[in-house]
Amino acid sequence: DIEMTQSPSSLSASVGDRVTITCRASQSINKFLNWYQLKPGKAPKVLIYLASTLQSGVPSRFSGSGSGTDFTLTISNLQPEDFATYYCQQSENTPRTFGQGTKVDIK
Amino acid sequence: QVQLQESGPGLVKPSQTLSLTCTVSGDSISSGSYHWSWIRQPAGKGLEWIGRMYTDGSTKYSPSLKSRVSISVDTSKNQFSLKLTSVTAADTAMYFCAREDSYYVFFDPWGQGTLVTVSS
Repeated sequence: DIEMTQSPSSLSASVGDRVTITCRASQSINKFLNWYQLKPGKAPKVLIYLASTLQSGVPSRFSGSGSGTDFTLTISNLQPEDFATYYCQQSENTPRTFGQGTKVDIK
Repeated sequence: QVQLQESGPGLVKPSQTLSLTCTVSGDSISSGSYHWSWIRQPAGKGLEWIGRMYTDGSTKYSPSLKSRVSISVDTSKNQFSLKLTSVTAADTAMYFCAREDSYYVFFDPWGQGTLVTVSS
């Protein structure tokens, strides 16, 4: 299985901050990396797919980069609705695997 | 727009079979090139992929659950289902169904999830 390691596991930030979350794969996954946002009681939402493609309807303050084994999710100008938990996920092969999550809360 | 909704018992006894259904609305489960998937999240833990069924009926399962899991589809009801046998407390989790695009390979949409507790 491909192991996905996310960091940090949690962070505190303020509205307007720039936030960066990193994800590392245990082997090359080319650009097959997706980012999701999870909030309690709501359906998870894809933000970025294929490492850097913004899903339709997702605000442009979200961006993704990377290829191979190292990837980054950046949220610029953090908004109140962005306080949530974020997961990376590889789709290079099965079993699909996820990072352990990064909880973004209010400072 | 496509929507998914999980349903099933919220409480299952140890050693019994967990059975969940995902109802798809807004499109036919037989159309397009999609993998219909199940993912779970134990409380306070990360996401775990359980398995998937492709539109052609082929399946793929997590190696760690393969001996206990099966996914099937009922096209007449536009639903797909999960069965997990011989459950233990370790199977207590929020269970999500999701659609995976076979080309762009990301999960979208997801259901809101259903909590299943394994307890006597």
